Formats: sequence, C-alpha cells, structure tokens
Amino acid sequence: KQEVTQIPAALSVPEGENLVLNCSFTDSAIYNLQWFRQDPGKGLTSLLLIQSSQREQTSGRLNASLDKSSGRSTLYIAASQPGDSATYLCAVKNAGNMLTFGGGTRLMVKP
Amino acid sequence: NAGVTQTPKFQVLKTGQSMTLQCAQDMNHNSMYWYRQDPGMGLRLIYYSASEGTTDKGEVPNGYNVSRLNKREFSLRLESAAPSQTSVYFCASSDGAGVADTQYFGPGTRLTVL
Repeated sequence: KQEVTQIPAALSVPEGENLVLNCSFTDSAIYNLQWFRQDPGKGLTSLLLIQSSQREQTSGRLNASLDKSSGRSTLYIAASQPGDSATYLCAVKNAGNMLTFGGGTRLMVKP
Repeated sequence: NAGVTQTPKFQVLKTGQSMTLQCAQDMNHNSMYWYRQDPGMGLRLIYYSASEGTTDKGEVPNGYNVSRLNKREFSLRLESAAPSQTSVYFCASSDGAGVADTQYFGPGTRLTVL
C-alpha cells in the first residue's frame, strides 16, 4: 500500500526566504506526482504535475523535482511572499487512477 | 466556467440521520472522486467512478454509498450518519487518462455529525 509522508508538518519563514518542502513515498511504481495548494476553508488547486518519466517541473517561482528511485520529491519556493501562506499537499498517482495524499505542510510566510 | 461544484457547503446532522452530498462538473471529465479530509491528515479516497456507470471503493468506503447519475454528476450518501463521519468532503474530477491526468477539486462540504 502506497504511503506518502510530508515533512515538516508546519513551517514559518520570513518574507523573501527561499524554502523547500519535502515529500516521500514508499512505492516507486507511480504514474505521476502532484503538488497542490490549499487555502483555509477552500478546495485544492493543482500547482505542478511531474510525470513518472520527468525529473522536474517549473512554474514561476515554484520548482518541483522527482526522484523515483529514492521515493522523494521536493517543492522549492523562491523568494517567498505572504501570499504563499497556505497548506501544500503532495499526492502520487498509482495504477487505477487513485491519488494517495500526504498529510500536508502548513506554510506561514511572515511580512 | 464553474468547474466542480458541491452542495451543500455546510451541514449539521444528528447521529442516525441520512443525507446526500451532491457534486457536478462541467468539464466533460470521465472520472469523478469523493474524498474526506480530517484535521492534520491528507485527503483519503472514499469512492471513485472511472467512467459513467461504474463505481469502485477507495480507502475508506464504510458507511457511504455513491451514485454516478450521469457523466456530470456524482453523489455521496450517508445512510446513517455517525460522529466519526464529521469531516470535510471534497469531490474531484479528471479525464482519468494516463500520466498527465490532473484532478480538479470542488470547494468542499463541511459536515458535522452530533
């Protein structure tokens, strides 16, 4: 059974800092890995999707990497802003169209 | 473009009552999903429908039933609500096709069972 872990569970940083969020998974037979953002009281918004054959994806100040062999992904946020404050969730897709989610990292960027 | 919509947004039930959560998508997606999210935990899959006319159990199906009414709509029913079903429920949809498949989520239904 796939298990996804995110460390740290919570993170507080000053504005402008570069930061890394971590995600690890136990079964490397994945189709893709996604990073989502969730604002308080809201649904999830997809940020980046890395296919199993890819190593990284970039969108603006966000860069996500994938190392299937070690079961790890990182989400790098450059020059963090208060508007980046949210919970970030990673999820892996295995066979059968099912996503398995990590518990999330709650990020606070202080002005 | 509404995307994925869910009704109701909030609901309070007493133990033993029943209710149906509604979900609709306007993206012509084949696959639809119901998740629950509990404090400090990620989302867990309750049921999913890979295509119209099919449904399958996810990780936590006990106490729930689903209906894929047509390609647009996927409902989740609690027949006899229990306090353990207090949670936030999310519906999602996707094309369901392969390695680039992305799921799109609704805003959630916040359910409290007393």
